[in-house]
Amino acid sequence: GQQVMQIPQYQHVQEGEDFTTYCNSSTTLSNIQWYKQRPGGHPVFLIQLVKSGEVKKQKRLTFQFGEAKKNSSLHITATQTTDVGTYFCAGPAMRRSGGSNYKLTFGKGTLLTVNP
Amino acid sequence: GAGVSQSPSNKVTEKGKDVELRCDPISGHTALYWYRQRLGQGLEFLIYFQGNSAPDKSGLPSDRFSAERTGESVSTLTIQRTQQEDSAVYLCASSLQRNQPQHFGDGTRLSIL
Repeated sequence: GQQVMQIPQYQHVQEGEDFTTYCNSSTTLSNIQWYKQRPGGHPVFLIQLVKSGEVKKQKRLTFQFGEAKKNSSLHITATQTTDVGTYFCAGPAMRRSGGSNYKLTFGKGTLLTVNP
Repeated sequence: GAGVSQSPSNKVTEKGKDVELRCDPISGHTALYWYRQRLGQGLEFLIYFQGNSAPDKSGLPSDRFSAERTGESVSTLTIQRTQQEDSAVYLCASSLQRNQPQHFGDGTRLSIL
């Protein structure tokens, strides 16, 4: 079945440093979604990328979707303590018909901690 | 309500007991998902409902797990004869339509003694 891998599993940074997490799928994705889960909280939707090679920015966060639609990355510039949490990528596999499977497969997430 | 509501927020029960978890999705959301999240782990898909279509139960780990949803409203996840390995946070999510961003509830933290 479809597998989604994320690296690193953990990342500890000093406040102000940059952070990147990578996401790789075993199958082509119709889209990639990113979620953030604060400690003790529930996942919150951040963004969805659909097009091959797409890049989207949200303030200090930059999201990329690979050309082959099998990988993605999230980059945070100048981390802040409010960035602490686990970042998950998730994507539905693309069907042979070209449509999208509805079932999201989540990566195991990257836990980011920030030292003030 | 404005968001996905789950109850109870916490449930502690003895091994062998049955439990019922409830999810109230965002009004108008046709798709509803249940996930299980073990401590420090990712989200494990359990079941998916879309409108009045037959649900996708392919993620349910055993026949002790079942779920129902009436139309596009409340869903209940039932675990019979609970085991210690069932201890986890059970998250419910809904989306406007399939493949749309999912909105999660706060989850039910289930602890089996």
